[in-house]
Amino acid sequence: AQSVSQHNHHVILSEAASLELGCNYSYGGTVNLFWYVQYPGQHLQLLLKYFSGDPLVKGIKGFEAEFIKSKFSFNLRKPSVQWSDTAEYFCAVNAQSGTYKYIFGTGTRLKVLA
Amino acid sequence: ETGVTQSPTHLIKTRGQQVTLRCSSQSGHNTVSWYQQALGQGPQFIFQYYREEENGRGNFPPRFSGLQFPNYSSELNVNALELDDSALYLCASSGRDRSTDTQYFGPGTRLTVL
Repeated sequence: AQSVSQHNHHVILSEAASLELGCNYSYGGTVNLFWYVQYPGQHLQLLLKYFSGDPLVKGIKGFEAEFIKSKFSFNLRKPSVQWSDTAEYFCAVNAQSGTYKYIFGTGTRLKVLA
Repeated sequence: ETGVTQSPTHLIKTRGQQVTLRCSSQSGHNTVSWYQQALGQGPQFIFQYYREEENGRGNFPPRFSGLQFPNYSSELNVNALELDDSALYLCASSGRDRSTDTQYFGPGTRLTVL
């Protein structure tokens, strides 16, 4: 079955610490990969996405993610987090062809301490 | 904030009733997707509508149905409500091209089934 796994459910970091959030997927065929973020009181919004080409993708606010096809992974990273990065982060995947579905992981709640 | 709006904001129903939720898509978007987000979970894909037809469906029973109108707005209908249907229902609009399939989310409708 198609699925997305986010291994870290809650992460607490101090400001300036480095961040890496894990995402693994199980999906046959070629996929598109996404990270979405939900800041407190705001809508879900796109952080970054991968469709093809360079597997290292840069997004907004200094975030980046690396697609490793052999590991079915798309981990999110930021070298130095800020208090304003406190939010919930969701990894998502859809297939580039075939039956349309958009699958989200369960999310990771990040709290950054000032 | 996106240009996606949803109504109502909150809704309380009793088991067995029917409910209709509404969504207006962002200007220029012709595709609408619906998601159910239970507490502590990621959004779960219900279905997507493109040109007034269902374009893909997740693992939801037939009592979850939808409509899309010529102006691309959409409705989600749920019949025979069950307690487990209590959740945040999210609408997202996007363009048709799957390769640029960023979902633009609305604020959601919080449904409580008693």
